[in-house]
Amino acid sequence: GQNIDQPTEMTATEGAIVQINCTYQTSGFNGLFWYQQHAGEAPTFLSYNVLDGLEEKGRFSSFLSRSKGYSYLLLKELQMKDSASYLCAVRDSNYQLIWGAGTKLIIKP
Amino acid sequence: GAVVSQHPSRVICKSGTSVKIECRSLDFQATTMFWYRQFPKQSLMLMATSNEGSKATYEQGVEKDKFLINHASLTLSTLTVTSAHPEDSSFYICSARDLLSGDTGELFFGEGSRLTVL
Repeated sequence: GQNIDQPTEMTATEGAIVQINCTYQTSGFNGLFWYQQHAGEAPTFLSYNVLDGLEEKGRFSSFLSRSKGYSYLLLKELQMKDSASYLCAVRDSNYQLIWGAGTKLIIKP
Repeated sequence: GAVVSQHPSRVICKSGTSVKIECRSLDFQATTMFWYRQFPKQSLMLMATSNEGSKATYEQGVEKDKFLINHASLTLSTLTVTSAHPEDSSFYICSARDLLSGDTGELFFGEGSRLTVL
């Protein structure tokens, strides 16, 4: 079966750095997405990786290793507004999105 | 980026009634829209894929007669929850892909509709 694993919850301090991991087992691979979702709101797109390596976009970076079925989202200079759930999603060989359960990130002052 | 608008954002209804949720792509044409349901502290669950001008494709376990989807135009898809029951209470989210957004194929989400069935 297809599976996306990410930690349920993480806590970090304002101004610090946090890394959210995602491992996947899917039928084929056509890209990995990270979305941010604040409570009671719809997800918003953060990043897309289809090739191995690091994609940097401001305070957020996303890394992919296809051979390991592994990705991480790195958040730097954490701000209180970064408190949200972070969803990892993989597009499989049928171009269907397989969603992880999300990681709830709690930022403390 | 592309904008998807969803309405209503919140709706409360009595058990047995029907509720319609609209999803509009405001600045692009969406031949395909996706409807998700999300229960508290859980991930997004794809309910169905809505194709303009044709029947929706439902995921396994989703009752097509209960969750009616209509995609009559390139900018509008509707989800009607028929004969709603308390267990249908959930957060319903639509999304669409702007084919002109490049190779990423990222999804743009509506604001979501929180349905509470009493």
